[in-house]
Amino acid sequence: DAKTTQPPSMDCAEGRAANLPCNHSTISGNEYVYWYRQIHSQGPQYIIHGLKNNETNEMASLIITEDRKSSTLILPHATLRDTAVYYCIVRATNYGQNFVFGPGTRLSVLP
Amino acid sequence: GAVVSQHPSWVICKSGTSVKIECRSLDFQATTMFWYRQFPKQSLMLMATSNEGSKATYEQGVEKDKFLINHASLTLSTLTVTSAHPEDSSFYICSAREGGGTGELFFGEGSRLTVL
Repeated sequence: DAKTTQPPSMDCAEGRAANLPCNHSTISGNEYVYWYRQIHSQGPQYIIHGLKNNETNEMASLIITEDRKSSTLILPHATLRDTAVYYCIVRATNYGQNFVFGPGTRLSVLP
Repeated sequence: GAVVSQHPSWVICKSGTSVKIECRSLDFQATTMFWYRQFPKQSLMLMATSNEGSKATYEQGVEKDKFLINHASLTLSTLTVTSAHPEDSSFYICSAREGGGTGELFFGEGSRLTVL
């Protein structure tokens, strides 16, 4: 079973920031938080991951609470092409361990 | 990031035939690859873990004799759906982990199988 909880859907206006929450209250000390997204009929695309510090890359920012029980993925300026299902996954870095996907959040960016 | 490629991207076959899907890591070596299946409006479900040079590990409920997995090299894993039936129609996705990294998995584009 997935170790994360996400809202099933969210809307965001084009050009505004999209903030996608994720709860992972049972996260272990050696587990990272990963975010992927899946655009319709494509394979999942890696976005960002982090352990405990906030992270930023060219796609998004990841804010992890101090107790690590929740996190937020931020798309600073959402575009229509960001419409997708966003998956939050917690996973240790043990080699060979797979990713368990929950239902994710369906983000709709509206014009 | 690392690139994982699947082929074919879509295939239509008749019931009872077998279909092979290839998954390649293009710019890195992957001793472990994962095969997922996704039905419409559902999330990805892990089918099996493919290990180079050894037998695949199947998830509970996945028939190993129906979904044959071969991981003959560090850059190629194949999934063969044997004696396909319409209920096997699905989106099949592979992924691979780049060794030495912090664990992110890279996914292929997916292969859509339609069994008539």
